[in-house]
Amino acid sequence: SAVISQKPSRDICQRGTSLTIQCQVDSQVTMMFWYRQQPGQSLTLIATANQGSEATYESGFVIDKFPISRPNLTFSTLTVSNMSPEDSSIYLCSALGQGLGNTEAFFGQGTRLTVV
Amino acid sequence: LAKTTQPISMDSYEGQEVNITCSHNNIATNDYITWYQQFPSQGPRFIIQGYKTKVTNEVASLFIPADRKSSTLSLPRVSLSDTAVYYCLVGESGTDKLIFGTGTRLQVFP
Repeated sequence: SAVISQKPSRDICQRGTSLTIQCQVDSQVTMMFWYRQQPGQSLTLIATANQGSEATYESGFVIDKFPISRPNLTFSTLTVSNMSPEDSSIYLCSALGQGLGNTEAFFGQGTRLTVV
Repeated sequence: LAKTTQPISMDSYEGQEVNITCSHNNIATNDYITWYQQFPSQGPRFIIQGYKTKVTNEVASLFIPADRKSSTLSLPRVSLSDTAVYYCLVGESGTDKLIFGTGTRLQVFP
């Protein structure tokens, strides 16, 4: 199994500022993902964080708004840029464990972001 | 992005069995199906995982038909503390993406 440390757990930010969320995994993982969960909605995939290259974004999400880094196999960051109240959400990182045919995913505890 | 769908909500009473189905007709051939439980303000918590047929652990059973285009999470004898949102998670065919289902909000009444 893997343990993911995600921080900050929550933050209140001013409109127009940026926040960087960090995810640290205690072991090397093949893939890392970033999700958003807006109030009352399901978890939506933002992007796949690729080690050593640009992240792969889903429809509706762009790099200028959500720049992602993944410098190695255990760490990734997501930045929410130029925030507006519509960005108030829970942001969740996930890592895919290594193993024969096993796609068990592990999750951080989430970052609750409020933009005022 | 393939849609993985679940019923929006379900109600039950304590002691009853609850079955929640997830439809995932674009599941990757080699990927497992995983179910998670989420309480408010917390990250998803692993419940059970399976590839095909039936899997059972101490908290739930998972039923997967031969075509793997759906799966059913079975919670025996639910209690009030099982009130939560339940998500299935599958790998998407042709990509390495993990896709959450739309989530089912389970409310257990005394």
